Formats: sequence, structure tokens, C-alpha cells
Amino acid sequence: AQSVAQPEDQVNVAEGNPLTVKCTYSVSGNPYLFWYVQYPNRGLQFLLKYITGDNLVKGSYGFEAEFNKSQTSFHLKKPSALVSDSALYFCAVRAAYGQNFVFGPGTRLSVLP
Amino acid sequence: GAGVSQSPRYKVAKRGQDVALRCDPISGHVSLFWYQQALGQGPEFLTYFQNEAQLDKSGLPSDRFFAERPEGSVSTLKIQRTQQEDSAVYLCASSLGGTGNPLHFGNGTRLTVT
Repeated sequence: AQSVAQPEDQVNVAEGNPLTVKCTYSVSGNPYLFWYVQYPNRGLQFLLKYITGDNLVKGSYGFEAEFNKSQTSFHLKKPSALVSDSALYFCAVRAAYGQNFVFGPGTRLSVLP
Repeated sequence: GAGVSQSPRYKVAKRGQDVALRCDPISGHVSLFWYQQALGQGPEFLTYFQNEAQLDKSGLPSDRFFAERPEGSVSTLKIQRTQQEDSAVYLCASSLGGTGNPLHFGNGTRLTVT
């Protein structure tokens, strides 16, 4: 069975500092990994994905994520945080076509001015 | 282009009432998913359609929950005899076919059962 863990409920970072939101996964076979962001009273918004190829993937709004197969991790990163990045972040995994996307519990990011 | 549209945006139901939640996916998206999201938590899978075929309904919590997508486009999630534990945000998402294509979410329907 697929599963996703986000070990931090909350991450606080000062504006301008780098940020990392952690994600580890468990899946049989090759994973398809995704990051989403959710603002209050809105649906989830796609940020980036890893399917195959380079372990470092770049996405929207300056976010990037690093796939590490040996550590089964897919951490989200940004070199310089903005106050407007404050939101709820979800990591998701899909094992194969025809299967559902499994989401982590979410990490609340607060960027302090 | 229009995104995924869900209606109503908010729904208040008395315990025991039936409700129907509608999802209009992005045009051309063959895959459609329903998720349930409790406050401050991650989305929990309910069911998945490929065109009009319901390929997986393993996440539906009880036989009071029913989903359909008769023409492979608009989908309806129906909850019969609502209970207080059904209170949540119901999210619909659509996707192009293929494993690597991301989900595109609507803004959800917030259901409150009183």
C-alpha cells in the first residue's frame, strides 16, 4: 500500500531565508511524486512533480524538490521564502496508472516578515 | 480556460437529509477523483472515474455514499441520510489520462451537517 509522511506539522521560517518542507513516501515500484499548496478556503494547487529523470525538479513560484530514492524522500525547497508562501503544503504519491493519489497529512508553512 | 468547478460552494444539511454535490471537470480530462478533507488534514480518497467507468470506490466510507459520472464528464457525489461525521470539505479533481499527469482541484464543497 502507498503512504506518505510529512513529519512536521508546522514549519516557521523568516522571509528571505531558505525553506524546506519534508516528505517521505512508501510505495511498491517506481513512485510518481507531487507537491501541492492549499490557501484558505481553496482547493489544492499543483506545484511540481517527479516522474523520472533528474532528481531535482523545478516548479511554480520558485519551488523545487529533490527526489532521493535511497531515502524515499521528496523534500520541497525554496532558496528565499516570501510571506506570500505561507500556506498548507501537501505531498502526494501515485504508484501506477489506475491507482489513486495518496496525500500526506500536510505541513503548515509560516513565513515571518 | 475554466478550471474544475464545484457546486454548491457551501451546503448545510440537517442530519438525515440527502445531499448531492456536483463537479464539472476541465474539458477533455478523462480522470475524475473525489476526496474528503477534514479541517487542517490531508485529502482522503473516496472514488475515481476513468471516463464514465468507476474504477475504484474503495474509499467511500459507507453505502450511504454514491458517485456517478454517466456521460464521462460531470460527476455527482450523493450522500444519503447525512450524519454529523459527514461534515467535511469534499474536493473534486480531474486529470488527463496517464500516470504522471497531476490532479487539478476545484475549490471544494464545504458540507456541514447539523
